[in-house]
Amino acid sequence: GAVVSQHPSWVICKSGTSVKIECRSLDFQATTMFWYRQFPKQSLMLMATSNEGSKATYEQGVEKDKFLINHASLTLSTLTVTSAHPEDSSFYICSARVIQGKLTKNIQYFGAGTRLSVL
Amino acid sequence: AQSVTQPDIHITVSEGASLELRCNYSYGATPYLFWYVQSPGQGLQLLLKYFSGDTLVQGIKGFEAEFKRSQSSFNLRKPSVHWSDAAEYFCAVVFMNRDDKIIFGKGTRLHILP
Repeated sequence: GAVVSQHPSWVICKSGTSVKIECRSLDFQATTMFWYRQFPKQSLMLMATSNEGSKATYEQGVEKDKFLINHASLTLSTLTVTSAHPEDSSFYICSARVIQGKLTKNIQYFGAGTRLSVL
Repeated sequence: AQSVTQPDIHITVSEGASLELRCNYSYGATPYLFWYVQSPGQGLQLLLKYFSGDTLVQGIKGFEAEFKRSQSSFNLRKPSVHWSDAAEYFCAVVFMNRDDKIIFGKGTRLHILP
């Protein structure tokens, strides 16, 4: 299956600093990538949809100035948590969508996730 | 409203026993259906998917799922679980009129008794 690499897997930072998380599709091109946030023992919450070459589409309630998303190439999307605070501590997961044939089959392959701890 | 439901938050089975995890959706048409598994601190791994055709779908790690249109269900099954199957399982649905976004169920945590 398709492989999605997410880096770093764990990051600890001081309050007020910015953190960048990378999501790469290793063996396929992904015009669309997704960023999710997962709180402990909960399901995934979609934060934004990242389309290559265009601005990301954010879900309601997600601050786009806090969570900057860049999708500069067909294999890389980045999420930058700006001026991080302890409440931003969470597990962040990206996914990349594979398109099969003429129809968008919407098979999403997920990265391993990034655990962010803000002190 | 369109939704996906996993009615069981926790399931405990003995190693070697059979397993069925439930998933129901609410939608006026047939959505795309997925099951993912997540080990602690890890991302999600796709177990299997259903788009159309044969309603019994085979996946990886010995899992299968059956789509039942009449019940709006897509239950995950395994005839004999292994201790390594202990994880969180998410049913996910793509409703085609919602920009192809995946909607996840709340998950079912599977515990395996030795």
